[in-house]
Amino acid sequence: DTAVSQTPKYLVTQMGNDKSIKCEQNLGHDTMYWYKQDSKKFLKIMFSYNNKELIINETVPNRFSPKSPDKAHLNLHINSLELGDSAVYFCASSPRLNYGYTFGSGTRLTVV
Amino acid sequence: KNQVEQSPQSLIILEGKNCTLQCNYTVSPFSNLRWYKQDTGRGPVSLTIMTFSENTKSNGRYTATLDADTKQSSLHITASQLSDSASYICVVSAGGTASKLTFGTGTRLQVTL
Repeated sequence: DTAVSQTPKYLVTQMGNDKSIKCEQNLGHDTMYWYKQDSKKFLKIMFSYNNKELIINETVPNRFSPKSPDKAHLNLHINSLELGDSAVYFCASSPRLNYGYTFGSGTRLTVV
Repeated sequence: KNQVEQSPQSLIILEGKNCTLQCNYTVSPFSNLRWYKQDTGRGPVSLTIMTFSENTKSNGRYTATLDADTKQSSLHITASQLSDSASYICVVSAGGTASKLTFGTGTRLQVTL
């Protein structure tokens, strides 16, 4: 059983489109995150949610909008996709903020 | 500014050999340091986590050390296997109410026959 699952695994789309990435965790964790990993393999925090509430928003363009319908889910919607959005996006969860992360397998987004 | 630097950037070793990866950080106040292994196409998986008072911690063939005075950590891999080929990421957590993780850029390890 996958603890943190993301869908889709791969996403290829044209500039200007709107797309969503879904994330679900079955670990009972209170905190969930979205990270972006660029071509240099550097992981950078985008958002953090604790019990469905946004607690960290790291200067991400407002084209990115996270949504947490419940504490087991954190989805990422991206409007007006740009070439620079191409990256691997990782969802993660932890029992409390910044402790004991479990990462998903990532979603490779390619904007053409 | 909190930073985590790792070296070398990439490393190729023969199967069965040992290797050591380095991590230097300037995160303050320090809370804990973790090493993650990230296989190609997968998410990072935690190997070890060390707090201020811990000098060394092992997980199978992986041994992490921490020198909080010099703000350095190392990850030693013993008797490497082909499956050790991956990126190894050092992550340092700042303490306090503004708890935040700072990620290193990783060391790409390739184990060959």
